[in-house]
Amino acid sequence: DAGVIQSPRHEVTEMGQEVTLRCKPISGHDYLFWYRQTMMRGLELLIYFNNNVPIDDSGMPEDRFSAKMPNASFSTLKIQPSEPRDSAVYFCASSLGAGSDTQYFGPGTRLTVL
Amino acid sequence: DQQVKQNSPSLSVQEGRISILNCDYTNSMFDYFLWYKKYPAEGPTFLISISSIKDKNEDGRFTVFLNKSAKHLSLHIVPSQPGDSAVYFCAAPSSSNTGKLIFGQGTTLQVKP
Repeated sequence: DAGVIQSPRHEVTEMGQEVTLRCKPISGHDYLFWYRQTMMRGLELLIYFNNNVPIDDSGMPEDRFSAKMPNASFSTLKIQPSEPRDSAVYFCASSLGAGSDTQYFGPGTRLTVL
Repeated sequence: DQQVKQNSPSLSVQEGRISILNCDYTNSMFDYFLWYKKYPAEGPTFLISISSIKDKNEDGRFTVFLNKSAKHLSLHIVPSQPGDSAVYFCAAPSSSNTGKLIFGQGTTLQVKP
């Protein structure tokens, strides 16, 4: 299996622009997670899906952030409009189940908002 | 409220010696803990876990110890190797039936040859 795939790996954009991050989870995994890693806040969960349905979006920082999972093999995280404080590494992860099931992370997207 | 805390941002050890990474938690309802390792420009990868019904779990050079009364766990790496140099995160599921993992801030381990 190719593992969790994220694109792009790097994104540089200007403040106010829309940014879309993409993720393909491991086939057969029912859970998909979006995380953000920053120096200040560490690794924090933004939102997760179970069987394509958003379960907990309490970590989404603002209405500027939105996530979708139109099917079992694809998810997007969108920031509109982007701000410099959104600069971070965004990880997507997937797992077979909840709780103690291992989450497998993608390589991340490094976002820089100028 | 940081429910999982790694108070040491960094640790440096000599190759061949023991590395001990520490993690504290505040929520006594946590019943499962995981350690992830992260290399630069890669996503975190699962390393080892422990259930609260145990106080020790060993996997090769890696051993995790859990002290429930102190709400403390530690990861021991023996012997340490230069390839172990990475950021180590401890994490706990917020509950058994959710997918939400709560991560510590991470500890950067450097193993010197």
